[in-house]
Parts: sequence; structure tokens; C-alpha cells
Amino acid sequence: GENVEQHPSTLSVQEGDSAVIKCTYSDSASNYFPWYKQELGKGPQLIIDIRSNVGEKKDQRIAVTLNKTAKHFSLHITETQPEDSAVYFCAASKSSASKIIFGSGTRLSIRP
Amino acid sequence: ETGVTQTPRHLVMGMTNKKSLKCEQHLGHNAMYWYKQSAKKPLELMFVYNFKEQTENNSVPSRFSPECPNSSHLFLHLHTLQPEDSALYLCASSQEASGTFYGYTFGSGTRLTVV
Repeated sequence: GENVEQHPSTLSVQEGDSAVIKCTYSDSASNYFPWYKQELGKGPQLIIDIRSNVGEKKDQRIAVTLNKTAKHFSLHITETQPEDSAVYFCAASKSSASKIIFGSGTRLSIRP
Repeated sequence: ETGVTQTPRHLVMGMTNKKSLKCEQHLGHNAMYWYKQSAKKPLELMFVYNFKEQTENNSVPSRFSPECPNSSHLFLHLHTLQPEDSALYLCASSQEASGTFYGYTFGSGTRLTVV
């Protein structure tokens, strides 16, 4: 079955700097890669996703990249702000399966 | 509010109690899920329902019993729980149309403590 590995488990960056979180997946048939942000006391919220027919997607300060050959995908947050502090989860799925496999999460802290 | 509502937000129960968690979605989604989130562990899928039919049970102990009376409501009935069952229980829903999956919408979860 699918396995998703996520690194690092914790990340601390200075406010205004960039943060990068990396994930790898094992099932080459996976073709949908969402990223979720979980703030304290809340459920995970979808922040951006990418499908396997594109290599990069951007939404304001957030971007995701996908390397299908290497089975890597990454989340990039630029100009980090205090409200970016949260736990971030990557995930992978096959479109027809409607079941997502999650990474173990990255706790991102933004230092003022 | 995400469109997926879970109640109660917090629950403390003894090991001999019976309680139920409720999830409701008003997004018109056709699939609903229960996840368990424990400290320092990945999200664990427990149950999947598609169009009210259970399609997956991830080796969950029988002290957890799901119920999906319609595509908008999902319950998790709890009985004779153990302290290690203390966790955040998350409900999610999703829409799958024409073989394309659009990802999950999660509720805020129920924080369960078993004493």
C-alpha cells in the first residue's frame, strides 16, 4: 500500500524567511497530493493541492512542487508570518480511491 | 466553520460508559470518514462510508461502532473504552465525481478522554 514520509518533524524559522517541508510517496499510481494545515484546537484544513499532471502550483505565499519521477513533493511558504505557525500534513491518494494517506506532520514555528 | 460539524467538542468518559460522537456535513458530499489523531502519531483512518455504505474498516476494535444513517450524518458509538483510546477523533467528508477526488473537509474534532 501507499506510504508517505514527511520531513522535518519540527521546523523553526525567523519571521519573513521561507519554510520548506518535503514529502516522499511510494505508490507511483498516486496522482493527487493535498497539503493540510492544522491549528491548535482545530481540524486539518486544506491549504493547497496538486495533481500529477502539473509540476508546480502557487497560491499567494504558498507553492507546491511535484517530481513524479522521484516521487517527491514539497510545500514552500515564503515571507512567513506568525499565523503560519501550525502543524502541516502532506498526503497522497489515487483519485479513484477517495482515501488519503497522510504524512506524520511537521510542526512549524515562526520566531518573531 | 468548515461545513462539517462535530459534537461534542470535548468528552470525558469512564471505561464502563457508553457514549456517541456525532458528525454532520451540509456540503452535499457522498463520502464520510472517521480518523483518530493521537499525540506523536500519524492520522489513523478508522472507517470509510460511501453513499451510506461502509467500505472500509481499518482493523478497528469492536468497542468502536460506526453508524451512517444517511449521507449527511455519521456517528461513532463508544463502549468499554480503554485509556489508550484517548485522542482527538476527526470526522471528514469528501466528494468524488466522475473518478476525480477533491480531498477532505474536516470537522474540528472531538477531544476524548477516557478515565
